Amino acid sequence: DTGVSQNPRHKITKRGQNVTFRCDPISEHNRLYWYRQTLGQGPEFLTYFQNEAQLEKSRLLSDRFSAERPKGSFSTLEIQRTEQGDSAMYLCASSRLRDRGWGNTIYFGEGSWLTVV
Amino acid sequence: GDSVTQMEGPVTLSEEAFLTINCTYTATGYPSLFWYVQYPGEGLQLLLKATKADDKGSNKGFEATYRKETTSFHLEKGSVQVSDSAVYFCALSADNQGGKLIFGQGTELSVKP
Repeated sequence: DTGVSQNPRHKITKRGQNVTFRCDPISEHNRLYWYRQTLGQGPEFLTYFQNEAQLEKSRLLSDRFSAERPKGSFSTLEIQRTEQGDSAMYLCASSRLRDRGWGNTIYFGEGSWLTVV
Repeated sequence: GDSVTQMEGPVTLSEEAFLTINCTYTATGYPSLFWYVQYPGEGLQLLLKATKADDKGSNKGFEATYRKETTSFHLEKGSVQVSDSAVYFCALSADNQGGKLIFGQGTELSVKP
């Protein structure tokens, strides 16, 4: 396994622009998660997919945020009309749901840093 | 809802000192518990985990025991090294919530030579 891969690693954008992050999970991992982390805080859950289905979205995921996982493999997280408050690290993670459904380990990517100026 | 509380940092220790980072949780079910470590500018790496009461997770000299009676999962290491300097996150995962992780706020550890 090559691990969870995220691109781009860093993005600087002007307020009001749209940005898109891509995540490639570990192969055969059917669950994929997006988190957001700001300086000095723990990661906050945004949304997760099981295969191609988006099963849960946090209240943190405003209408400007959209995530997709069209073929149940890679995922994209798009932020429209970025605001300075969107500046954070966006973490992607994946796991494999086991038969008993508990104790599955979640593996994280290196994260994508977003700076909105 | 479910939550995790960690001791506040930063924690500053001398090399070879004993480390304890406290973590307590609140959960309605029977969660799995995790410790993740984050080095500067990097993502999170799984350090250890425990999936049921009284389980002990261990890795790289770190260990933590799942204590259901005290709802705790304290991280310990007998002798820290400078290379252990990082931010440590305690987290829980409940399958009735899609297995997503709920994190504590993190504890920064700085180990001085």
